[in-house]
Order: sequence, then structure tokens, then C-alpha cells
Amino acid sequence: DTGVSQDPRHKITKRGQNVTFRCDPISEHNRLYWYRQTLGQGPEFLTYFQNEAQLEKSRLLSDRFSAERPKGSFSTLEIQRTEQGDSAMYLCASSSSGSPRLFFGEGSRLTVL
Amino acid sequence: GESVGLHLPTLSVQEGDNSIINCAYSNSASDYFIWYKQESGKGPQFIIDIRSNMDKRQGQRVTVLLNKTVKHLSLQIAATQPGDSAVYFCAENTQTNAGKSTFGDGTTLTVKP
Repeated sequence: DTGVSQDPRHKITKRGQNVTFRCDPISEHNRLYWYRQTLGQGPEFLTYFQNEAQLEKSRLLSDRFSAERPKGSFSTLEIQRTEQGDSAMYLCASSSSGSPRLFFGEGSRLTVL
Repeated sequence: GESVGLHLPTLSVQEGDNSIINCAYSNSASDYFIWYKQESGKGPQFIIDIRSNMDKRQGQRVTVLLNKTVKHLSLQIAATQPGDSAVYFCAENTQTNAGKSTFGDGTTLTVKP
């Protein structure tokens, strides 16, 4: 399977713990995006990378959230000191530069107890 | 502010009928629109797109119509099948926001056999 893959698919954690999600994009795509989706809502943009450069971050992204793409391939999204309001599906997508068409992974569902 | 919205949160149709899913957008600078389909437990999947210099585009069993005058977008699905049951999102993009798309909240399509 050469699509976008995300790990883990599900994560249950206690409030205050740190969690990290990983995304492996389609190999020839140089853009990588993180979105958050809550039940009944459309995906909300969090941040995106072009190669290893993080080009934009949403105002939704508090300082507890950090994303990296160190070698311009896979990316990680870390949430520190999780809160119950962080419970959501975290979606990763990739695209070719210049194309708005996004290829999404299956998502990582976070539940904060 | 910028928003993309859908007229109806749910739509139920009989198998074999045509479905029309609507979307209103407010950003007149939007120049690229995409429809995504999201099945339960999966990430959104690209269906069809349209640029602002077009008013209609056809794919396999799907047609997207764009009316820039009233900022309205629709997705028509011909001969709807049970496999079409999913949540459908419209998303908009602008050249200044080339790295991200803004999604509406989705319409849940249920196909009755």
C-alpha cells in the first residue's frame, strides 16, 4: 500500500500525558498536512509542511502542539499535557506542490480520559 | 469570515435515484473547490474538483456545478448506490492559501435499498 499511513490508529491516554502521532505520506509528495476532526465536523487545518519546512500553523494550534518533519519525509505531531478537549481524530494528508488535492490517511483517533 | 457550509446535514435517497448535495461558500476569492467522501472510520477521499473558471465538471457518475454569482457548489451523484453512503464534504482553496483547504461540516448521505 503506497497511500498515506498513520500510526497509531487509536490512542487512549489520561489527561496530562503526552502523545505522539506519526504520518508517512505518499513518497513522491512534498507537502504534508495535519488536520483535526471532531465528530460531526469537517476537518480543521492545523499545520502543513513543504519538504522539511513548516510553512503555516493555524491559530488553533496551541503551544502544547508541535509538529516536525525532520527529513522531509515522515512527520510527527506531539501533544503535550493532553486535555479532554484534545480528543479528536487527527488526520494527516499529503499532496504534490501546486496541487490542492489532498490524499488523506485513515487518521489517528485520540481519546483523553 | 471565511467559511464553507452545507445546506443540509443529512440526505436520504432510494437506491438508483440521483442525489444532490449542496454547499455554500463565503470567500469570493476561492478559486478551487473539491468534494471529498468520508466513509466511517476512514479518512476523506477525493471525488472531484473544479476551478473557479469553470461552472461544471463531470466525472464517473458524479457532476460538480459551481455558481460563483451566489457562491454555491453542488455535487450530483447519478444512480446512487449503497456504496455511496458516506459523509460528503466540500472544501475550498485559494491561491493565497495554497497549502490548505477549508472544509464544510459535511452532509451524511444514506442510500436506502
